[in-house]
Amino acid sequence: DTGVSQNPRHKITKRGQNVTFRCDPISEHNRLYWYRQTLGQGPEFLTYFQNEAQLEKSRLLSDRFSAERPKGSFSTLEIQRTEQGDSAMYLCASSLPHRGLFNEKLFFGSGTQLSVL
Amino acid sequence: DQQVKQNSPSLSVQEGRISILNCDYTNSMFDYFLWYKKYPAEGPTFLISISSIKDKNEDGRFTVFLNKSAKHLSLHIVPSQPGDSAVYFCAALTTSGTYKYIFGTGTRLKVLA
Repeated sequence: DTGVSQNPRHKITKRGQNVTFRCDPISEHNRLYWYRQTLGQGPEFLTYFQNEAQLEKSRLLSDRFSAERPKGSFSTLEIQRTEQGDSAMYLCASSLPHRGLFNEKLFFGSGTQLSVL
Repeated sequence: DQQVKQNSPSLSVQEGRISILNCDYTNSMFDYFLWYKKYPAEGPTFLISISSIKDKNEDGRFTVFLNKSAKHLSLHIVPSQPGDSAVYFCAALTTSGTYKYIFGTGTRLKVLA
């Protein structure tokens, strides 16, 4: 169990540029989540995959955001034409297949801190 | 529409005393609740959870209480230690739904030595 891995840890970009983040979940975790966190707020749900299927996407997410999880393994989150309001910590989390109510939990990566100048 | 609320942004407690962090929710469909702890520049880490079929769950120094009628849960840390200083988030989900975790805004706990 090597944990959830996210790359890069930090990204500084200019407004209008595209950025892509990668998340490698814990092996055998079939569910993968993306969250965004800004200062003073809790993690805000962006999207969620079960295997390669994207099951839900937040209505708060504009069309500039897209996520993929090819083959149900790693996932990428792309933000096109970045805006200063996109500056945040982007968190990835994964979870085992549901095996009983009392084992349900998310395992988070360390996040990617995005700064849009 | 904030479905999970933590109304206390911060809390200071003396070392050795009890820390009580509170969380309220509005969605009656939530049936599973969790507490996470977060240090700066790290992702949240799981602390403890509780199903709606229980009203208390204990793990070492951490106890979570659930009051379904009041739609309220609390995390008790006894005794509090300086290493407990962090931001604490409660989260809720509906296990019969899409397993979307909804997080509160967090409470920053500072344990004073």
